Amino acid sequence: GNSVTQMEGPVTLSEEAFLTINCTYTATGYPSLFWYVQYPGEGLQLLLKATKADDKGSNKGFEATYRKETTSFHLEKGSVQVSDSAVYFCALPGGTSYGKLTFGQGTILTVHP
Amino acid sequence: NAGVTQTPKFRILKIGQSMTLQCTQDMNHNYMYWYRQDPGMGLKLIYYSVGAGITDKGEVPNGYNVSRSTTEDFPLRLELAAPSQTSVYFCASSYSKYTTENAGELFFGEGSRLTVL
Repeated sequence: GNSVTQMEGPVTLSEEAFLTINCTYTATGYPSLFWYVQYPGEGLQLLLKATKADDKGSNKGFEATYRKETTSFHLEKGSVQVSDSAVYFCALPGGTSYGKLTFGQGTILTVHP
Repeated sequence: NAGVTQTPKFRILKIGQSMTLQCTQDMNHNYMYWYRQDPGMGLKLIYYSVGAGITDKGEVPNGYNVSRSTTEDFPLRLELAAPSQTSVYFCASSYSKYTTENAGELFFGEGSRLTVL
């Protein structure tokens, strides 16, 4: 089945630093790809997505490009803020049933002032 | 603005006890899910439901049961709690009709932290 491998964490950055969190996937065909974010004490929420190869998803200053050549969907942000401190999950459909997502192990990001 | 509501938020159980985690959503979503989150392991799907009266096993269903008598509610039952069930449990729901715009968007509750001692 589909699987995703996510960059090991935790990641600690200073405010305004550049962020990259790596995500690679194994899948049949070209499934949609997602990044979810979990802020402290909250449930996960969708951050951005790309539904076909070469698409770029973006939201809140974060971007990720669906690259089928390298089977990757790396998350980037040019200038992180303290409020970006959270856990980030890469995900893709786990099977044929809609909504059954397979998640990466999560990357903890801490941003210091 | 309720969305997906889970109760309780925290619970400590003794080995062998049973309990039910409650989940309700007010978005009229037919699809609902239970995930567990273990440190460094991401989320694993326990059970899911595509509508009232229909449930199916996910990746890690052993030790759990679910029911779906209404569109709104999807309780998760733990029978004979074991230390391996210590985890954070998330209920989620999603749109029934797949479109490019809503693809992959799950709406999560805030989680229920369960400790089995």
